[in-house]
Amino acid sequence: DQQVKQNSPSLSVQEGRISILNCDYTNSMFDYFLWYKKYPAEGPTFLISISSIKDKNEDGRFTVFLNKSAKHLSLHIVPSQPGDSAVYFCAARARMTTDKLIFGTGTRLQVFP
Amino acid sequence: DVKVTQSSRYLVKRTGEKVFLECVQDMDHENMFWYRQDPGLGLRLIYFSYDVKMKEKGDIPEGYSVSREKKERFSLILESASTNQTSMYLCASGAGGPREQFFGPGTRLTVL
Repeated sequence: DQQVKQNSPSLSVQEGRISILNCDYTNSMFDYFLWYKKYPAEGPTFLISISSIKDKNEDGRFTVFLNKSAKHLSLHIVPSQPGDSAVYFCAARARMTTDKLIFGTGTRLQVFP
Repeated sequence: DVKVTQSSRYLVKRTGEKVFLECVQDMDHENMFWYRQDPGLGLRLIYFSYDVKMKEKGDIPEGYSVSREKKERFSLILESASTNQTSMYLCASGAGGPREQFFGPGTRLTVL
């Protein structure tokens, strides 16, 4: 049972435009959400996170939105740059666990000139 | 800067071989994790450890074991490698609580 879902395997966006990556979850016990970025042949790098008590967190070009009633989060990248081309994973942590993260299947973002 | 290192970037082994993947972190983190990444399946947790000599099974522990004799080091062992264990293996560490995990560069393992 996939508790964290990224339903779009790929996304293609023109440089300078907004990229919106989506993630849905099913477990209401998740209290912390993260986005990671991964280049080929490298480990994932942490991008941005949000606590379940917030609905928005911003860091430079990256903003994460959380809609708890819909069990949905999204990552906005504005403006998109070619260097943003990578696979993006969302992840969630459940309250009262031993800090396990549950990852989605990833979305490959391609930013073209 | 947090650093998580893995012993090999690329590894080729034969079916039936015993394989050791080593991971070292330098941030005194309590928690360490082993994942594998496969196309279309995301990152799946194999095992994790929240203290020295402590380990817990993740979502896909079959065919794997782990060892944590020192706080900074977490080893993944494939007792008898099989072709379906060909994958990218990622180690991570974390301080615990609602904070990020830090990943190593990964080991691309091919089992022939």
